[in-house]
Amino acid sequence: AQTVTQSQPEMSVQEAETVTLSCTYDTSESDYYLFWYKQPPSRQMILVIRQEAYKQQNATENRFSVNFQKAAKSFSLKISDSQLGDAAMYFCAYRRGNYGGSQGNLIFGKGTKLSVKP
Amino acid sequence: EAGVAQSPRYKIIEKRQSVAFWCNPISGHATLYWYQQILGQGPKLLIQFQNNGVVDDSQLPKDRFSAERLKGVDSTLKIQPAKLEDSAVYLCASSPHRIKQAGDQQYFGPGTRLTVT
Repeated sequence: AQTVTQSQPEMSVQEAETVTLSCTYDTSESDYYLFWYKQPPSRQMILVIRQEAYKQQNATENRFSVNFQKAAKSFSLKISDSQLGDAAMYFCAYRRGNYGGSQGNLIFGKGTKLSVKP
Repeated sequence: EAGVAQSPRYKIIEKRQSVAFWCNPISGHATLYWYQQILGQGPKLLIQFQNNGVVDDSQLPKDRFSAERLKGVDSTLKIQPAKLEDSAVYLCASSPHRIKQAGDQQYFGPGTRLTVT
C-alpha cells in the first residue's frame, strides 16, 4: 500500500522569506502523480502544484516550486517570497497513474501547518 | 464555473442519531469522491463513484455508512447510527473522467463539519 509522510507538523516563516515543506512517500509503482494541496481555515482544499512521476523536470507555479527526487521518494514544496495569505495547512498527496480508464483516489499525508509572521 | 457544493456546512448530533450530507459536483464531472478528514489528519477516501456506479468503497464502514449518487450527478452520504469517532469534516470532490488523465486535479467542496456528542 502507498503511504505519504509529512514529518513537520508545524512550520513558521517570516513574510517575504522562503520556506520548504517536506514530504516522503512509499510506493512500488512507477507511474504516479504527486500533489500539494493548501487547506485554509475555510476548509476548502486548493491545488497548489502537481508533478508527474515520469517527468524529471521539477514543477513550478509562480512562487511555488517542488524538489522531486524520485529515487529518494521525496517531494518537497518550496514557497518563495512568503505572503500572509500563504498561512494554511499544506497536504502532500499521491495518486496512482492511469488504470483501466478510472482515476484513483488521493492518498494524503497528515499535513503541515504553516504560519507566516508579518 | 460553479464549484463543488456541499450542505450543510455544520452539523451537531448526538450519538446513535442519523445524519445525511449532500454534494453537488461540478457540472459534467463524472467522478465523485467522499473523503473523511479527522482533526489533525489528512483526508481519507470513503467512497468513489464513476457516474452512478461505485468504483471503490473499500474504506467505507458499511455497517453504518451508506452513499448513493442518483443519475450520476448529486450524491448523499448517510451515517446511521453515528458514533463519537465519526466527528470529522466530510469533504466531497469531483473530477472529469478522461482516459489517461490521472493527473487531472480533484476539485473539493467546502466540507461539512460533523460533531457527534
